[in-house]
Amino acid sequence: QKEVEQNSGPLSVPEGAIASLNCTYSDRGSQSFFWYRQYSGKSPELIMFIYSNGDKEDGRFTAQLNKASQYVSLLIRDSQPSDSATYLCAVNYFGNEKLTFGTGTRLTIIP
Amino acid sequence: DADVTQTPRNRITKTGKRIMLECSQTKGHDRMYWYRQDPGLGLRLIYYSFDVKDINKGEISDGYSVSRQAQAKFSLSLESAIPNQTALYFCATSVLAGGLGSSYNEQFFGPGTRLTVL
Repeated sequence: QKEVEQNSGPLSVPEGAIASLNCTYSDRGSQSFFWYRQYSGKSPELIMFIYSNGDKEDGRFTAQLNKASQYVSLLIRDSQPSDSATYLCAVNYFGNEKLTFGTGTRLTIIP
Repeated sequence: DADVTQTPRNRITKTGKRIMLECSQTKGHDRMYWYRQDPGLGLRLIYYSFDVKDINKGEISDGYSVSRQAQAKFSLSLESAIPNQTALYFCATSVLAGGLGSSYNEQFFGPGTRLTVL
């Protein structure tokens, strides 16, 4: 059973600080990794993907991947109240169109 | 805007009733998916389809069936609804994005259908 593990939270971070979200996965065959943001009552939306070891930055978001340790993280710099949401980690294999999702981490940014 | 739509958005039904949830998309994507989301359990894949003639079971297909009527339409049916099928249901479509050696499967989700089975 391929699994994706996330701390469910809630994770509370002061406005302007860095929020750090973590995700571990069980299958070393996993090759691409996604972070989705889901506001309460809304559908998930893709905010970052990464497939190479190291960091990938997009605006205030940085995804970090360490395949040897089988974890992927998402850093949100200068956190804003609008970042308050549940963040879902998902993984898949190249050529496999299915995603396996973690249960999500609920993030609250405190003004 | 190209979009993924789901109908109905909310539905309350009784145990034993047959229910159909519909999904339509104008994105032109071949790949479509049905997920359910439950508190604490995340998103779980029910069925997926890579084209009109292709239907595949996901991890929790028991009690559900699907129909891919056209590239743009993918319906989910509960033949005899039961209370533990109460959940938020999402349809999604996908396309391979990125370039050579860096392609990834980006999924786009519909707004969801909240189903309650009494």
